[in-house]
Amino acid sequence: KNEVEQSPQNLTAQEGEFITINCSYSVGISALHWLQQHPGGGIVSLFMLSSGKKKHGRLIATINIQEKHSSLHITASHPRDSAVYICAVSLRIGETSGSRLTFGEGTQLTVNP
Amino acid sequence: DVKVTQSSRYLVKRTGEKVFLECVQDMDHENMFWYRQDPGLGLRLIYFSYDVKMKEKGDIPEGYSVSREKKERFSLILESASTNQTSMYLCASSVTGGAGGNQPQHFGDGTRLSIL
Repeated sequence: KNEVEQSPQNLTAQEGEFITINCSYSVGISALHWLQQHPGGGIVSLFMLSSGKKKHGRLIATINIQEKHSSLHITASHPRDSAVYICAVSLRIGETSGSRLTFGEGTQLTVNP
Repeated sequence: DVKVTQSSRYLVKRTGEKVFLECVQDMDHENMFWYRQDPGLGLRLIYFSYDVKMKEKGDIPEGYSVSREKKERFSLILESASTNQTSMYLCASSVTGGAGGNQPQHFGDGTRLSIL
């Protein structure tokens, strides 16, 4: 069983719809990351959070530490939001070194006009 | 702005060749990472480095080695390429998080490597 599970694997929506992507994890973490990967490969960090909720434009990320669950929401979706969305968790590797990430398999989102 | 540059977007090599993938970052980051990404498996960590000349194995180091002679450059080496190393390879970097440990990683655009 993967330490990080995402659902759904694939999601197709119509422009304007509200979208939710879910992420569950089974290990203790120090932070959770949401990443976006467009066709062509480049990955962009969207959010890093360890509690509560963060918002950036039309994107909202929430995390429930007790339930080991996070959601990424997209409001008023647009075709340019079409991408793979990846959830990753930080496992601390030492007091002075950076955290390594463990990744979910990603959710392929397609938003049709 | 943060920039992580991988030397090639596409690369085709033959079985048995020694392959070098180069990654350079311009942010003076301490930490650098090499991942491979395969359908159905997501990103998996091959090696990482938290300082010059330091390296640690990730989840799938077999068949790979790395080199970090300068802070800005982290090289991934396939000692004798095999067809099962055909994949997308992504480099990333981050600052050291100190006691907190958490910093976002900045990714390169990836190298799609095919081994024939």
